[in-house]
Amino acid sequence: AQTVTQSQPEMSVQEAETVTLSCTYDTSENNYYLFWYKQPPSRQMILVIRQEAYKQQNATENRFSVNFQKAAKSFSLKISDSQLGDTAMYFCASAYSGAGSYQLTFGKGTKLSVIP
Amino acid sequence: DSGVTQTPKHLITATGQRVTLRCSPRSGDLSVYWYQQSLDQGLQFLIQYYNGEERAKGNILERFSAQQFPDLHSELNLSSLELGDSALYFCASSAALSGMVNEQFFGPGTRLTVL
Repeated sequence: AQTVTQSQPEMSVQEAETVTLSCTYDTSENNYYLFWYKQPPSRQMILVIRQEAYKQQNATENRFSVNFQKAAKSFSLKISDSQLGDTAMYFCASAYSGAGSYQLTFGKGTKLSVIP
Repeated sequence: DSGVTQTPKHLITATGQRVTLRCSPRSGDLSVYWYQQSLDQGLQFLIQYYNGEERAKGNILERFSAQQFPDLHSELNLSSLELGDSALYFCASSAALSGMVNEQFFGPGTRLTVL
């Protein structure tokens, strides 16, 4: 079984500043994937960034980047130049190919508020 | 717009009733996942179908069942509803079973309220 832990229930950041959201996970699998999803007030789940565990290079998508520490089982999300539209719940998630299914295991989420 | 549609958007019903939630995946996607988001349990995986067949089960109650039809749309049936079943139910679809290309695209969800 996989578990995902997000230890920061709520965070806030000033507009244009940088913020880092923490995530740790536990898995016995070798081939797995990690994700950050954003859920704005509209409740839509939006994929922000993903990381294949076999890749050492940290994933980057525009202002979003991750710090993937495989040995420590840590997967943090850094948001640079924070914008008001970044205000949302952020969920860390993991998946592995168990019998061909990539069901996602989610953390409890971090509520991020960007302050003008 | 993810291309995944879910109906209805909102559903209000009473305890003991039965409801059906519907999901239409993105065109060409064969795999459908159902997730439940509640205040108590957070986001959790319920069940997955692939091309009409059940592929994986998560924390799905025996009162809940699902199916995927030949046109690939899926329905989640919830029966003998309890107050604790109130939640946002998401459907997500992906192209195939394996590989990182298979990002899951989420629908807008169905908000179920059991009174």
